[in-house]
Amino acid sequence: GAVVSQHPSWVICKSGTSVKIECRSLDFQATTMFWYRQFPKQSLMLMATSNEGSKATYEQGVEKDKFLINHASLTLSTLTVTSAHPEDSSFYICSARARAAQGFMNSPLHFGNGTRLTVT
Amino acid sequence: GENVEQHPSTLSVQEGDSAVIKCTYSDSASNYFPWYKQELGKGPQLIIDIRSNVGEKKDQRIAVTLNKTAKHFSLHITETQPEDSAVYFCAASFSNTGNQFYFGTGTSLTVIP
Repeated sequence: GAVVSQHPSWVICKSGTSVKIECRSLDFQATTMFWYRQFPKQSLMLMATSNEGSKATYEQGVEKDKFLINHASLTLSTLTVTSAHPEDSSFYICSARARAAQGFMNSPLHFGNGTRLTVT
Repeated sequence: GENVEQHPSTLSVQEGDSAVIKCTYSDSASNYFPWYKQELGKGPQLIIDIRSNVGEKKDQRIAVTLNKTAKHFSLHITETQPEDSAVYFCAASFSNTGNQFYFGTGTSLTVIP
């Protein structure tokens, strides 16, 4: 089945530094990837939709200059948390959808295992 | 936009009993409804999905039912086991164009041995 690999699984950084999270589709091409943020015991909050070769689409309230997204290839999207602060500490999860022969009709959303970011 | 509601938020069952989680959605255009299981510290994993042209789908101990008229769908887990303990999320999507998924708020299921 389709596998999404997310790296790193956890990271601790100092306030003011930047952190890059990678999301790779290992065995399929993902023209669209989604980045979510999840707070403890809460649902998934969509941050942005990453489109290969074009600018990401950010959800309302998400700062695009704070959370830089790059989707440079059909198998890789990156999320960079710039000038991180303690309030950015969270669980970040990426997901991707494989395009089936019929379009998206038969392809579910596959998630990475998430990245636990702690900003000290 | 789509709004997905999920109930209950927490559910405890004895091992061997059944568990049912229910979701409702608001957009009649949604046509794809997956269920995800999320274990602590991990990303959600797809466990079963159903499309709007089907009323029920079953995979071993897991089944999903869909009522398009009422706009609700449910996850049924039979013969529950301790390893079924996790957070379960329902979602709705209009799958034809790869649009985003709308997730429920999650149900924390605890199976008591």
